[in-house]
Amino acid sequence: DTAVSQTPKYLVTQMGNDKSIKCEQNLGHDTMYWYKQDSKKFLKIMFSYNNKELIINETVPNRFSPKSPDKAHLNLHINSLELGDSAVYFCASSQDNGGNSYEQYFGPGTRLTVT
Amino acid sequence: LAKTTQPISMDSYEGQEVNITCSHNNIATNDYITWYQQFPSQGPRFIIQGYKTKVTNEVASLFIPADRKSSTLSLPRVSLSDTAVYYCLVGDANNAGNMLTFGGGTRLMVKP
Repeated sequence: DTAVSQTPKYLVTQMGNDKSIKCEQNLGHDTMYWYKQDSKKFLKIMFSYNNKELIINETVPNRFSPKSPDKAHLNLHINSLELGDSAVYFCASSQDNGGNSYEQYFGPGTRLTVT
Repeated sequence: LAKTTQPISMDSYEGQEVNITCSHNNIATNDYITWYQQFPSQGPRFIIQGYKTKVTNEVASLFIPADRKSSTLSLPRVSLSDTAVYYCLVGDANNAGNMLTFGGGTRLMVKP
């Protein structure tokens, strides 16, 4: 059984378009995340979200927005795509147990290519 | 968040023990040390976490000296499938939302 799944796996689109990446976790976790991994393989946190609060990395442009229809899903919407948005995007989840555990479960990633 | 420094890359051979050291001189009292593994085209995978002394699980051991300014991930008898990038993270227990900060990681290449 897949713990954290993402769709699509690959996404090719043109500049200026709006796109979404979906994420679902079946682990019963209460916190979900989005990360961006660029071509140099640096992995950067974008958002952390549970049913209590959304925490945004201040470096993330407001063209990016997470949407959570329910506890098991956290989708990533991107407006007005730019070339620099090309990267691999990872969704992750964890159980919030007070902050001492950093055991996050990552999805397989979505490779976004903006042309 | 405490910054971490680890070697960019390491080479090893099958069957050897590999030790990857991470420096975190500014680690805070509430910080835990966590290691992740990432294979090409996959998301990172949690390996081990510790606060002090030694932690061991079925995959690795984590050694943390008394001053906690560094830590060493030990992989016993590596195989080709252990070729991956290994990330050391230091996290504040009060960091709401567990916003992990990944550094550049250490690229481990295991050779036959």
